[in-house]
Amino acid sequence: GDSVTQMEGPVTLSEEAFLTINCTYTATGYPSLFWYVQYPGEGLQLLLKATKADDKGSNKGFEATYRKETTSFHLEKGSVQVSDSAVYFCALSDLGGGADGLTFGKGTHLIIQP
Amino acid sequence: EAQVTQNPRYLITVTGKKLTVTCSQNMNHEYMSWYRQDPGLGLRQIYYSMNVEVTDKGDVPEGYKVSRKEKRNFPLILESPSPNQTSLYFCASNWGGFDNEQFFGPGTRLTVL
Repeated sequence: GDSVTQMEGPVTLSEEAFLTINCTYTATGYPSLFWYVQYPGEGLQLLLKATKADDKGSNKGFEATYRKETTSFHLEKGSVQVSDSAVYFCALSDLGGGADGLTFGKGTHLIIQP
Repeated sequence: EAQVTQNPRYLITVTGKKLTVTCSQNMNHEYMSWYRQDPGLGLRQIYYSMNVEVTDKGDVPEGYKVSRKEKRNFPLILESPSPNQTSLYFCASNWGGFDNEQFFGPGTRLTVL
């Protein structure tokens, strides 16, 4: 079945540091890939997405590129802020994202220190 | 404002006492899902619904029931809660399709004693 593997945290960085959170996936088809973010006490919200190979999703300074050859979708940001502290989930949708929902990684807790 | 609402946000109950967590969306979405979030396990899908009166099991359906009598509502029912159902629960909805964003509710933290 489908699966998503992401680095588990917590990941602690200083403000303005460069961020990479690794994500790799296994899927039978050609999935769409997503990064969701969960701020403390809140539900998940979409951060960015990519629907086909070599697509780059970007939002709020975060980027991730859909790499089919390495089955990866690593999340990057050039200069993190304290407000980026949250849990980040990599996810995939192999059947349209509707009926079967999403397959999530276990989440990476990111802590940014001032 | 487009949103998914859940109630209650927090609930402490005892083993065996039936409970319902409500979920409602105002975006006219076809699809709705329930997930549970547990430390070290991430989010796992419990049940999903593709439309009114159409529901199906997700990855961890045991001990849960759902219904979809109206498009906007998708309640989660625990007929006889047990301590292993202590978790953080999220409802989500979306249109469907490959690049479709799921919209999540704020979560319900359930403790079963």
